Amino acid sequence: AQSVTQLDSQVPVFEEAPVELRCNYSSSVSVYLFWYVQYPNQGLQLLLKYLSGSTLVKGINGFEAEFNKSQTSFHLRKPSVHISDTAEYFCAVSDPNTGFQKLVFGTGTRLLVSP
Amino acid sequence: ETGVTQSPTHLIKTRGQQVTLRCSSQSGHNTVSWYQQALGQGPQFIFQYYREEENGRGNFPPRFSGLQFPNYSSELNVNALELDDSALYLCASSLSGGAGEKLFFGSGTQLSVL
Repeated sequence: AQSVTQLDSQVPVFEEAPVELRCNYSSSVSVYLFWYVQYPNQGLQLLLKYLSGSTLVKGINGFEAEFNKSQTSFHLRKPSVHISDTAEYFCAVSDPNTGFQKLVFGTGTRLLVSP
Repeated sequence: ETGVTQSPTHLIKTRGQQVTLRCSSQSGHNTVSWYQQALGQGPQFIFQYYREEENGRGNFPPRFSGLQFPNYSSELNVNALELDDSALYLCASSLSGGAGEKLFFGSGTQLSVL
């Protein structure tokens, strides 16, 4: 079975500071990895995904993530955050070998950006 | 292009009742998935429908059922509601339901069971 651990439930940061949101996964098979963002009263929106190839993945809104197979991690980073980045961030995995799209999500990290 | 829309946005039911939630998928998408998001938790996969057939299911009991219509819109039905069913129910659509595809989520239906 696959699982995702997001150790930080909340990350406070000042505007224009860098941020890293941590994600570790557990899986006995190869995985696809995703980061989704959820703004208040909205559905989830895909930030980026790793399927194969380069381990450094660039996404929307200046975010990037690095897949580290040996550490089973997929941490999300942004060099300079904005107030508008305040949201809930979810890491998720899926199994490439299933015939359908089943995402297993972590419990989320709330990013709080203050002036 | 129209996005994923869900109705109603909020719903209050009592224990034992039945509920139907509705979802219109994004234009051009033939796959719909449903997720349950309890307060303070990540979404949990309920099931996926591809071209009107259920082709994947998570760890939810049979009282959670669904339908997908020829226009690819979808319904989630929950029978014999329990207090623990209180959650945000999210619908997501994708082009063809592959494991690596981008999901487009609706804003959800907030269900409260009293």
